[in-house]
Amino acid sequence: EAGVAQSPRYKIIEKRQSVAFWCNPISGHATLYWYQQILGQGPKLLIQFQNNGVVDDSQLPKDRFSAERLKGVDSTLKIQPAKLEDSAVYLCASSSRGEGGEKLFFGSGTQLSVL
Amino acid sequence: AQTVTQSQPEMSVQEAETVTLSCTYDTSESDYYLFWYKQPPSRQMILVIRQEAYKQQNATENRFSVNFQKAAKSFSLKISDSQLGDAAMYFCAYRGPNFGNEKLTFGTGTRLTIIP
Repeated sequence: EAGVAQSPRYKIIEKRQSVAFWCNPISGHATLYWYQQILGQGPKLLIQFQNNGVVDDSQLPKDRFSAERLKGVDSTLKIQPAKLEDSAVYLCASSSRGEGGEKLFFGSGTQLSVL
Repeated sequence: AQTVTQSQPEMSVQEAETVTLSCTYDTSESDYYLFWYKQPPSRQMILVIRQEAYKQQNATENRFSVNFQKAAKSFSLKISDSQLGDAAMYFCAYRGPNFGNEKLTFGTGTRLTIIP
């Protein structure tokens, strides 16, 4: 079974530039999460999708962050414009109901450095 | 809101010895799930062990076991016979009771170093 795929693995940009991250969840997983992990902290949920609908985006800075999940499969997370404090690892995770649904499968993340 | 606290930023243990990582949490729910995740330098979060709050028996997975104290809201991880491959960041995480919502709240992590 293929895992959660994320790209790029690393990204370096200057502040005020735009950046996008891509996530391909495990096939058949209806729920997709984006987490932000700042250095020295635990991951923090940014947004949760159920199929292509948003379930929870209460901690997403909507003035600069946006996310979409086309056709309930792949997802992209965009930052525009980036700030220094956006430097972090962005982790994507997916899960599926009915198979021990409390188990999340994580990707390896995208490490973003904003200079 | 639920919170998860890990008070040990760093721990070290001699190879083959036993180490315990601490975690406390706060919730008003009676039913929930608790997890320990391992994050090696590859950054991928790997599930180590999970505990359902309604189960009194402590979960075990090979060399990994937990001490779940529901009344004290404490959830510690014991690693026996520590191996070099156990070196990583360890995160304690909480999940609420709603089926189909696997949103996790994480602690700040403990960096575990294994001394050969």
